[in-house]
Amino acid sequence: AQRVTQPEKLLSVFKGAPVELKCNYSYSGSPELFWYVQYSRQRLQLLLRHISRESIKGFTADLNKGETSFHLKKPFAQEEDSAMYYCALSGTGNQFYFGTGTSLTVIP
Amino acid sequence: GAGVSQSPRYKVAKRGQDVALRCDPISGHVSLFWYQQALGQGPEFLTYFQNEAQLDKSGLPSDRFFAERPEGSVSTLKIQRTQQEDSAVYLCASSFGQALYNEQFFGPGTRLTVL
Repeated sequence: AQRVTQPEKLLSVFKGAPVELKCNYSYSGSPELFWYVQYSRQRLQLLLRHISRESIKGFTADLNKGETSFHLKKPFAQEEDSAMYYCALSGTGNQFYFGTGTSLTVIP
Repeated sequence: GAGVSQSPRYKVAKRGQDVALRCDPISGHVSLFWYQQALGQGPEFLTYFQNEAQLDKSGLPSDRFFAERPEGSVSTLKIQRTQQEDSAVYLCASSFGQALYNEQFFGPGTRLTVL
């Protein structure tokens, strides 16, 4: 089974503080992992993906196969980072699995 | 260039009615996905098209759900004999390539409410 778990539904941090959004997955193979973000009144959009090894808006995510995790991190949170974040996975077949999402609030 | 569009944006149906939800993907995008998003949940995969071929429909919750993309562009998701549990936001997404590591571009969604 392919599943994505985001244990925190809500997360609040102060501006300038580090932030980490947790994502764990269950997959018997080599998955592709993604983070999607939805800002208020906007569409769901790609933030970053493991295959690109990129840093977007100061966010990074490292795939840890031993812990089956793909946590999203940013060293200094900004108010504009407040949004809903979804971890997602694609693997065998053509399905695409999203987690339940974490709502991040950055407190000024 | 316009992004992915969906219509209608809102749909209210009485239980037992049939509904049809439309998705216009970005021109030239090969892949098209439909998702169902219940309140407070993440998007749940319903079905996947590569051009006009429906390669995966494993996420469709029942045989009341049917999707098509006859010419490899516009897609329609049809729900027959709607039930209250069908109330959700239905998202469509398209991507340029065939591989599932390509970025998906999402539409605004259609919010379906079944009374």
